[in-house]
Amino acid sequence: GAVVSQHPSWVICKSGTSVKIECRSLDFQATTMFWYRQFPKQSLMLMATSNEGSKATYEQGVEKDKFLINHASLTLSTLTVTSAHPEDSSFYICSAAGQPSNTEAFFGQGTRLTVV
Amino acid sequence: GENVEQHPSTLSVQEGDSAVIKCTYSDSASNYFPWYKQELGKGPQLIIDIRSNVGEKKDQRIAVTLNKTAKHFSLHITETQPEDSAVYFCAASKGSNSGYALNFGKGTSLLVTP
Repeated sequence: GAVVSQHPSWVICKSGTSVKIECRSLDFQATTMFWYRQFPKQSLMLMATSNEGSKATYEQGVEKDKFLINHASLTLSTLTVTSAHPEDSSFYICSAAGQPSNTEAFFGQGTRLTVV
Repeated sequence: GENVEQHPSTLSVQEGDSAVIKCTYSDSASNYFPWYKQELGKGPQLIIDIRSNVGEKKDQRIAVTLNKTAKHFSLHITETQPEDSAVYFCAASKGSNSGYALNFGKGTSLLVTP
C-alpha cells in the first residue's frame, strides 16, 4: 500500500508555544488529507479535511485559529497547534487520499503531543 | 451525519479460536467500509475493506461481510494468534470525489491469549 509519513512521532512542548506536525505522502499525490485526533482508549475523531490548494474544512467544534492546517502541495500537509495547552495533549493522526478518487485513505503513524 | 456503532468494546479469545466484531451504520449512502488494526502508539493500519457492491471479502484469516439492507458489516478473524491482539476499528464513508472522510466506530480491544 501507499506510504504516509508523519513527523514528529512524538513531541513535548511548553504551554503557550506552537507545534507543527507534518504529514507527507511518499509515493502518491494526495489530493485530500485528513487530520484526526485520538484520546487514550478512544476512537479517531475527524478534525478537518484539506484539499490541496484550498482552505481546510473543519469539523464542528474544532477551532480553526487554534489548529492551523496547510496543504500547499500534493505531498505535504501540516497541522500547527497554536498556543498549546495541556488539554491539547493527544495523539494526532493524518491520512491521505490520492487520485483516482476511489483509492483508500492511508494513515500516518501518528504524533503523540504532550503539552506541559 | 453518519453514526457507526461497534460491538463489542472488548473481546478476549483463546489462540486458535475465531473472533467476530460487528458494526452498524446509519447512512444508507455509505458505500465503503474499511477495517483498521491499531497497535499501541501507532497509526491505524488497513487490514481489509469492502465496498457496497459486494457482500463478502476474504483475505487469508480475515474476512468481512456486509449486509446493506440491515446496514451492518462484520469482521471475522479465524485461527487467531497472539499477534492479532490490538484495537480494531470499523469505519464507513461515502467515498466522495473529495476523498474519503471516514466515520469510525469506537473500537474493539481484542486480546488473544496463548
